[in-house]
Formats: sequence, structure tokens, C-alpha cells
Amino acid sequence: QKEVEQDPGPLSVPEGAIVSLNCTYSNSAFQYFMWYRQYSRKGPELLMYTYSSGNKEDGRFTAQVDKSSKYISLFIRDSQPSDSATYLCASGFTGGGNKLTFGTGTQLKVEL
Amino acid sequence: KAGVTQTPRYLIKTRGQQVTLSCSPISGHRSVSWYQQTPGQGLQFLFEYFSETQRNKGNFPGRFSGRQFSNSRSEMNVSTLELGDSALYLCASSPRTGGTGELFFGEGSRLTVL
Repeated sequence: QKEVEQDPGPLSVPEGAIVSLNCTYSNSAFQYFMWYRQYSRKGPELLMYTYSSGNKEDGRFTAQVDKSSKYISLFIRDSQPSDSATYLCASGFTGGGNKLTFGTGTQLKVEL
Repeated sequence: KAGVTQTPRYLIKTRGQQVTLSCSPISGHRSVSWYQQTPGQGLQFLFEYFSETQRNKGNFPGRFSGRQFSNSRSEMNVSTLELGDSALYLCASSPRTGGTGELFFGEGSRLTVL
């Protein structure tokens, strides 16, 4: 079993929809959680970072972490075709340096 | 500010050969990490270097090695290539080692092993 599990999709939604992307993790040592976005033929780019349970909002994006259930979510409001990409959740822990454990990614397509 | 630069972008090798990939981090970044990305396994951590020292290593065989130079540029080497080594190899730099998860990735080197 992978330490971070993520539904690969693909997920197709109409423009303007609210998108919910989810991950679960099994390693209790994970202390901080990230969402990366990866466009085709590009490297991943950091979207959101959270250190504790709760919500963090940045524009149309909200990251949610529930450490009690080991559940990580990313919500995208008013989705746009430019949001079409693969979304990767990742986890790390203090003392682990920049060693992150990634989910396999969810491919999202936002259609006009 | 220039981003992370990886060379070569694409390469084809045959089984048993070796390959060296290069990464130039963002100016001022002292941490360089390498990840392997495949469709089945996703991104998997290979190793991290900080100030020329290997800080962390993932669960890959000894055929995978790396180093970092005094200017923070890094190289990774894969010896005795196997078909399963076909992947996108991503380099990421960061100004610090750990704690924020903020990695700046290059566009990767796509290796095909025939």
C-alpha cells in the first residue's frame, strides 16, 4: 500500500463547476501537506501548502487537511479550462528534508 | 530569475548503458532534489543534496547516484540501465532543506531505455 493514495481520474467537469480532489495518507509522521499542479510536459508547481488540520484558502483554491482521518482535499471554485492539469498531493515531515511522498496524481479536464 | 534547468530534455539509451542527467537550480538555492516520475508509480524521491552533501536517499538501487557541486549544480547518474528505468526524471531546487514542501521543479529529462 502506498503511503499517499490518490484517485487517478480522469475527472471531467464543465467550466464553472466546483472541483473536489482528494487524497488519503497512512503515515502518521507526515506533518505538512501540499498540492502541486502539473501541466502536460511541464514540471509540477506548488499550489497550496498546509501544516496543520483545517482549511487554507488562496483565491479559488481551498486546501483542507483532516489529520484525524488522514484525509487531504483540494477544492477549486469556478473552475476554468486553464485549470486542466494533473493535481498531485504530497506530504512531508520535519527532519525529512525535501523528501516528499506524492500521490500518483488526478488528471482534471475542465470543459467549455 | 531563471528557473530550474535540466539537460538533456530527451534521451534514448539501450539496456546496460549508463546515463548522466544535469540540473542547474535557481540562483541562490542550495538544495537540489531528484524525483523519478512514471505513470504507474507517480513521483518517487531519489535523493536530496544540500551544500554538496547528500541529505536524504530514497529506496532506489545503488545504480542510481548523484552529486552536487560547489555552485549547487547537480548531476545524477544511472548505471547499467534497465527497461524499467524509462521515466521522467525531475530535478527540484529549494532555498532551504525541508519544512515547507516548496520545491521548484524543472521540466524534466525524459529517458527512454530500449
